[in-house]
Amino acid sequence: AQSVSQHNHHVILSEAASLELGCNYSYGGTVNLFWYVQYPGQHLQLLLKYFSGDPLVKGIKGFEAEFIKSKFSFNLRKPSVQWSDTAEYFCAVNAGDTGGFKTIFGAGTRLFVKA
Amino acid sequence: NAGVMQNPRHLVRRRGQEARLRCSPMKGHSHVYWYRQLPEEGLKFMVYLQKENIIDESGMPKERFSAEFPKEGPSILRIQQVVRGDSAAYFCASSPRAADTIYFGEGSWLTVV
Repeated sequence: AQSVSQHNHHVILSEAASLELGCNYSYGGTVNLFWYVQYPGQHLQLLLKYFSGDPLVKGIKGFEAEFIKSKFSFNLRKPSVQWSDTAEYFCAVNAGDTGGFKTIFGAGTRLFVKA
Repeated sequence: NAGVMQNPRHLVRRRGQEARLRCSPMKGHSHVYWYRQLPEEGLKFMVYLQKENIIDESGMPKERFSAEFPKEGPSILRIQQVVRGDSAAYFCASSPRAADTIYFGEGSWLTVV
């Protein structure tokens, strides 16, 4: 069964610091990969996704993620965070028909950006 | 263009009562997913439905929980005889196709007293 691991549960950064959030998944076949963000008191919103093609994908608000197939990883990055990036970030994977078509989420990483 | 609509947003139930959570998917979406979010535990998959069919309910507790997505009307997540441990945020999501991007509603917060 597919699973998703997010390495850091809590991250604290100062504004303008660079961000990298780790995500690894366990499934060895073809996968669709996602990062979602949940701002305080709000629902989850899509940041970016990877289905195929260029393994470096760019999303909204200056975020990007790199799919490294050999490492089963899909890490999220942002060169310079802002206070408004304070939120919880979820990595997710969908393994298609072999995974039952359901999207599985990691436990989330809470990011706090100090002004 | 309405997004995924969930209601009620907040629901308080006494132990032993029933809770019904409703979800209307985005227009044109026939795939619906329910997730439960507990503090510090992330999002747990519960059930995946298409119109009139349960595709995957591997995340649903075996007892007291059920879900449906009828031909007409919203998807319903039903919790019978609620217990305090059922208190959580329940999120519904929808997608236009299997394995595609899923879009979330604003969630329903269930509190069992």
